[in-house]
Amino acid sequence: EVQLVESGGDLVKPGGSLRLSCAVSGFTFSNAHMGWVRQAPGKGLEWIGLITSKADGGTTAYAAPVTGRFTVSRDDSKSTLYLQMNSLKTEDTALYYCATTGGSHWGQGTLVTVSS
Amino acid sequence: EIVLTQSPATLSLSPGERATLSCRASQTVSSHLVWYQQKPGQAPRLLISDASNRAAGIPARFSGSGSGTDFTLTISSLEPEDFAIYYCQQRSNWPYTFGQGTKLEIK
Repeated sequence: EVQLVESGGDLVKPGGSLRLSCAVSGFTFSNAHMGWVRQAPGKGLEWIGLITSKADGGTTAYAAPVTGRFTVSRDDSKSTLYLQMNSLKTEDTALYYCATTGGSHWGQGTLVTVSS
Repeated sequence: EIVLTQSPATLSLSPGERATLSCRASQTVSSHLVWYQQKPGQAPRLLISDASNRAAGIPARFSGSGSGTDFTLTISSLEPEDFAIYYCQQRSNWPYTFGQGTKLEIK
């Protein structure tokens, strides 16, 4: 059974940092291109970052609103995807999903709230 | 950035009726378009990849068509569990972008 389990969401003050994790099982994580999608409360979906497999260079890409503040990384030995979020803003408040870039597998999401 | 525009914003239909959802891209995405279904409190569920390929386990009543800039998701005969929000998403160019969604509600 495929499982993606996010963790690390929390309430954080503006300007703060947070690291999200996504533990994957049920498929060969090292071969997968992975990413993070967020959904603000009551709003639509937004891809914010991705990372290719190491075989394809381990390349990262980011959406404009998070470039320079967020970093996607992976640890294939732990089948885990990460999202390091720095300089958080109130507009980063959202449910954060990890997913395969093809869209076939998603986690259940972890909530990040940025508020003073 | 490629903008996807979905129409209508809300579609009110009855079980058994046919639903036709539209997604238009601001520039060509070839066939690199996917459709998702999202229900309250749940992650998106992949329905269609590459514009017209049903994902594993998706019922045959769901079909996708189109290429270039104009795409359609059709649900041939609505079941009660189909009432949800539907999103299209392009994966032709980064950043991948979603449409704003079509809410399919029970009439």
